[in-house]
Amino acid sequence: EIVLTQSPGTLSLSPGERATLSCRASHSVSSYSVAWYQQKPGQAPNLLIYGASGGATGIPDRFSGSGSGTDFTLTISRLEPEDFAVYYCQQYGSSPPTFGQGTKVEIK
Amino acid sequence: QVRLVQSGAEVKKPGASVKVSCKASGYTLTSYYIHWVRQAPGQGLEWMGIINPSDGSTTYAQTLQGRVTMTRDTSTSTVYMELSSLRSQDTAVYYCARDYFGSGSFAAYFFDFWGQGTLVTVSS
Repeated sequence: EIVLTQSPGTLSLSPGERATLSCRASHSVSSYSVAWYQQKPGQAPNLLIYGASGGATGIPDRFSGSGSGTDFTLTISRLEPEDFAVYYCQQYGSSPPTFGQGTKVEIK
Repeated sequence: QVRLVQSGAEVKKPGASVKVSCKASGYTLTSYYIHWVRQAPGQGLEWMGIINPSDGSTTYAQTLQGRVTMTRDTSTSTVYMELSSLRSQDTAVYYCARDYFGSGSFAAYFFDFWGQGTLVTVSS
């Protein structure tokens, strides 16, 4: 199975700053099949990005995704207070679908 | 609006089984695949399997083969996940999640709507 490694484990930033989250796959992910989710404490994950760069319905355009092959990135252009959460990448191009271990974005 | 509402928390002893339900509303259950994903305390997400509510066909994660069973009741728009031979490592929040694509096509294997989660605690 494809192992996804997210970095950093924790990102300490202030509101208004730019966040760059990395997701590296152990093998090439086919057809840009990477999604990103946001999870807040006590809540289910929420889909942000699919197809590596496609925004899910209702997601603010400050969230963007990029990458291909084994390296993918989620960027939050200007952090809002509600963006402090844990973010997971997921690959769905190869069975079984797998998730990274998460990056926590915390208030500095 | 689309909602997936799961059954309540469970406490089970090692070796027992648990059955979690997921009731869909706001859309036709048989039109979309449903997945189950679990999350151990403080840990990441693990995909458990998928069911096509239209015909009941299933695919399970290899790590859970033989212990997990997913079924559906179309008359109540409900999907079920049963996990047997429970061990302490099965303690987790269990989520049902809707596949992004409809069941008339290949499953997308990523998820646009999630249930609220069901905590299953396995403890002697």
